[in-house]
Amino acid sequence: QQQVKQSPQSLIVQKGGIPIINCAYENTAFDYFPWYQQFPGKGPALLIAIRPDVSEKKEGRFTISFNKSAKQFSLHIMDSQPGDSATYFCAASYGNKLVFGAGTILRVKS
Amino acid sequence: GAVVSQHPSWVICKSGTSVKIECRSLDFQATTMFWYRQFPKQSLMLMATSNEGSKATYEQGVEKDKFLINHASLTLSTLTVTSAHPEDSSFYICSASQSGGANVLTFGAGSRLTVL
Repeated sequence: QQQVKQSPQSLIVQKGGIPIINCAYENTAFDYFPWYQQFPGKGPALLIAIRPDVSEKKEGRFTISFNKSAKQFSLHIMDSQPGDSATYFCAASYGNKLVFGAGTILRVKS
Repeated sequence: GAVVSQHPSWVICKSGTSVKIECRSLDFQATTMFWYRQFPKQSLMLMATSNEGSKATYEQGVEKDKFLINHASLTLSTLTVTSAHPEDSSFYICSASQSGGANVLTFGAGSRLTVL
């Protein structure tokens, strides 16, 4: 129930493409769903986050889509750039608990 | 914005020695800090949650006596890996919460531990 399942494990897109990363959860107690971006040898940095009362949130080129009934959420990166190449983690939290997905390694080819 | 500093960023030690990693919130008071461990190409696994002035809460399977956590002030938490062995080699990352919950976390840059 504490798990957050993330897919795909890795993703390669051309510059300008729109990579989509999907996550699913079971525990309905989760009330906050952040996405983190991590570069090699660095800690994760918050990218964008959403609460379950909202179906979509957009910040710059990053969009989260949230489907509460399906318990799924996804990250879309518009007009992807080589600098977006990183590992992306979805997460879910409630109270003091923050659970991470397994991560998606994204490579954007120039 | 909120900044969390971790030190050292990397450390190499001999098997059997102890290593201390510091996590500091630079511009805010962190009532709660979290310690994670990350193996190469894997996700972050929560090791323990520390609240200022009280004992840390460890996740299942994490040895309390091996990974000592101290959160003596609102801006500093330390993780000490005692009697380190090669299998303890990993990337250790701390995060800090201003609110006390896990909703708004700022992560440190991580500390790479290599035990020879």
